[in-house]
Amino acid sequence: ETGVTQSPTHLIKTRGQQVTLRCSSQSGHNTVSWYQQALGQGPQFIFQYYREEENGRGNFPPRFSGLQFPNYSSELNVNALELDDSALYLCASSRGPQSSYNEQFFGPGTRLTVL
Amino acid sequence: AQTVTQSQPEMSVQEAETVTLSCTYDTSESNYYLFWYKQPPSRQMILVIRQEAYKQQNATENRFSVNFQKAAKSFSLKISDSQLGDTAMYFCAFMGAITGNQFYFGTGTSLTVIP
Repeated sequence: ETGVTQSPTHLIKTRGQQVTLRCSSQSGHNTVSWYQQALGQGPQFIFQYYREEENGRGNFPPRFSGLQFPNYSSELNVNALELDDSALYLCASSRGPQSSYNEQFFGPGTRLTVL
Repeated sequence: AQTVTQSQPEMSVQEAETVTLSCTYDTSESNYYLFWYKQPPSRQMILVIRQEAYKQQNATENRFSVNFQKAAKSFSLKISDSQLGDTAMYFCAFMGAITGNQFYFGTGTSLTVIP
């Protein structure tokens, strides 16, 4: 069983640019959640996708957007990058949207640096 | 709003000894779930243990156990017989039963097991 994978591992962008991060969910999982983990902080929930629809969103501006594909992989897009967007971006997949009883399995993350 | 507080940024323990990591939370929800996640230097978050708030019995997973005090809104993690592989960041996380799709994480405790 393949675990959650994310690409790229590291990424450097400049302020104002756009970035796309990718996540492949674990086999049998139809739900993907995205988190932003700033240095020295705990992860913060960005949004969740379930069966290709957004299913909940944290306190992030609209320039953070996402997609989920029919194979349940997912993309996180960030437009108009700001310096504060520098962080580790984690995705997590689960068998269903109710993460209280569907364990979330995390990927290794993408380290984004905005200069 | 839910908040999770971990007041110990760093801790260390001798190998084979016992250590307790603290976590407090604040919520107005009556039913919820609490988790401890481990994030080793490789960055992949791993679930250590979970506790349902409606269960009075403290959860236990091998060397890991929790002390859940609902009235005090406290949820500490005890690691017995500490091993070098326990060295990691530990995050306490809250999930409400109503939404059930997003974690609220604390800022983490960096645990170092000393040989």
